[in-house]
Amino acid sequence: ETGVTQSPTHLIKTRGQQVTLRCSSQSGHNTVSWYQQALGQGPQFIFQYYREEENGRGNFPPRFSGLQFPNYSSELNVNALELDDSALYLCASSWGLAIKPYIDNEQFFGPGTRLTVL
Amino acid sequence: GENVEQHPSTLSVQEGDSAVIKCTYSDSASNYFPWYKQELGKRPQLIIDIRSNVGEKKDQRIAVTLNKTAKHFSLHITETQPEDSAVYFCAASGDNKLSFGAGTTVTVRA
Repeated sequence: ETGVTQSPTHLIKTRGQQVTLRCSSQSGHNTVSWYQQALGQGPQFIFQYYREEENGRGNFPPRFSGLQFPNYSSELNVNALELDDSALYLCASSWGLAIKPYIDNEQFFGPGTRLTVL
Repeated sequence: GENVEQHPSTLSVQEGDSAVIKCTYSDSASNYFPWYKQELGKRPQLIIDIRSNVGEKKDQRIAVTLNKTAKHFSLHITETQPEDSAVYFCAASGDNKLSFGAGTTVTVRA
């Protein structure tokens, strides 16, 4: 069983550019959640994908978008980068059923992608 | 949405002493409360979690308590060791989407 992986490890972009971050979920997991962790803060929920569909979104603008593929890996895309987008981007995979009542299962985090916007 | 507050932001303890971190949450629908440990430059890792139908859970030197009425939960680490030094995050969720506290930097002094 392999763990959650993310690529790239580090990335430097300039304001206005676009970026794509990638996440491979842990074997057997069907749900990927993305979080933004600014320096010295707790992770903030961006959105979640369950079986290739968006299943909830946090307080982030539409220029943050994502995809989930049939193998449950996922991408996070950010358009029109701003300086405040500089952060560690974490993905977390879990196994779940997107039906109520929700049953939370452990989310396993990847190592993150450190994005710097200049 | 859910709002999680965590205190203290920093905690320094003597090796062998206990450490306590407290969190409050706002959404009464939250029913899952994990605690993550994040060492410098590393990914958050789950150290213990508790569900709303349980008041306390222990795992060796770590314990978590939950008071649903007051909407607060706490992490207790006993007999602290240098390897316990890290940032600890509490989180709350009712729908598999975690809301995190701001974190507590724990330093264990030898």
